[in-house]
Amino acid sequence: QVQLQESGPGPVKPSQTLSLTCTVSGGSISSGSHYWSWIRQPAGKGLEWIGRVSSSGSTNYNPSLKSRVTISVDTPKNQFSLKLSSVTAADTAVYYCARPSIVARAFDVWGQGTMVTVSS
Amino acid sequence: DIQMTQSPPSLSASVGDRLTITCRASQNINNYLNWYQQKPGKAPKLLIYAASSLQSGVPSRFSGSGSGTDFTLTISSLQPEDFATYYCQQSYNTPRTFGQGTKLEIK
Repeated sequence: QVQLQESGPGPVKPSQTLSLTCTVSGGSISSGSHYWSWIRQPAGKGLEWIGRVSSSGSTNYNPSLKSRVTISVDTPKNQFSLKLSSVTAADTAVYYCARPSIVARAFDVWGQGTMVTVSS
Repeated sequence: DIQMTQSPPSLSASVGDRLTITCRASQNINNYLNWYQQKPGKAPKLLIYAASSLQSGVPSRFSGSGSGTDFTLTISSLQPEDFATYYCQQSYNTPRTFGQGTKLEIK
């Protein structure tokens, strides 16, 4: 059974770049035609889709973040990554990686989430 | 972007109650509508996909219906473990978008 685990360096200072990695276990990131997504949730608020990457490296981003976001895939390491540049306090959130089922087109596998705080 | 509007934002109910949460899309999304349950400190859990298909392992008291722009999630008989926040999400196109959530509390 596929499992996802987010990891990252912890707090980020304003104007810096937030970097997170999602490690896929229990299956290959290259299997199927999955698009691997990043989703975030500020404390007490709703869910925001950030973007996604395929195992071949094709990406789609949320237009609201597109100018600051890069999502990439590292198939040998079975990982995909998020970089969000020029962060502000508004980027403080729990960040989730998630995988949609190909058939369901719904996020059926989620990481546990990692809290990222933007603070000086 | 497709806007997803849920109602109500919150509601109080009792164990055994039947309740319905609604979700409206700003444009036709066919049946590309999913429902998730989220408990505090946890990742969302998929309940319903394609508007009415029950995800494996999800109790049958959960059901979904709708097509086009209007959708509903129904819980036939509330159990203590069902008190959580529920989100709808469209998978018709990108960017994927979620409703603002419906928080279900114990009366």
